[in-house]
Amino acid sequence: GAGVSQSPSNKVTEKGKDVELRCDPISGHTALYWYRQSLGQGLEFLIYFQGNSAPDKSGLPSDRFSAERTGGSVSTLTIQRTQQEDSAVYLCASSFYIPRGVYTDTQYFGPGTRLTVL
Amino acid sequence: GQNIDQPTEMTATEGAIVQINCTYQTSGFNGLFWYQQHAGEAPTFLSYNVLDGLEEKGRFSSFLSRSKGYSYLLLKELQMKDSASYLCAVSYGQNFVFGPGTRLSVLP
Repeated sequence: GAGVSQSPSNKVTEKGKDVELRCDPISGHTALYWYRQSLGQGLEFLIYFQGNSAPDKSGLPSDRFSAERTGGSVSTLTIQRTQQEDSAVYLCASSFYIPRGVYTDTQYFGPGTRLTVL
Repeated sequence: GQNIDQPTEMTATEGAIVQINCTYQTSGFNGLFWYQQHAGEAPTFLSYNVLDGLEEKGRFSSFLSRSKGYSYLLLKELQMKDSASYLCAVSYGQNFVFGPGTRLSVLP
């Protein structure tokens, strides 16, 4: 079946402009995650959505970053007034949700959006 | 926050065996994942451990010790295509914390 998709694949923007990044999770996956990965670095958690619960925003680096998830499916990550340090690959992942217990479902990643802020 | 440690880089020879270690904080631990990430690509799932012991999947095996906060990924019969970064990720409930990744170079 279809995997996680993200758009655009590449985005070049000027400092100070706003950008929107889109993620389409795997159908039926109720959990959705956003990460960013700077060149040669590990994954940095940004935000987590689970069903209709309030999102976990603890990883957002500043109030310029926000995310929405409409209808429990598609998610949009918005970065306002972009800065050069926002340049990175933004990865989205989705998974099934299993109530807290012994097991946790694996995440499936999209191909990412490479953001370059000039 | 939760700290996850992995070696930054490793080098091995084609056909050999390599072990990539990962240590993590045990408080709130739920399970541990290993992902492979080739340069310029998204991470892909390799293995998942929730109980102590060794999980084997073909050339790849993953080991977990919950009490020690320790895991390793074992790659056998290395191939050139195994050159990639290997990410250790720990789930604490539904939160995932990724390690910095280990860049493995397989030499002919």
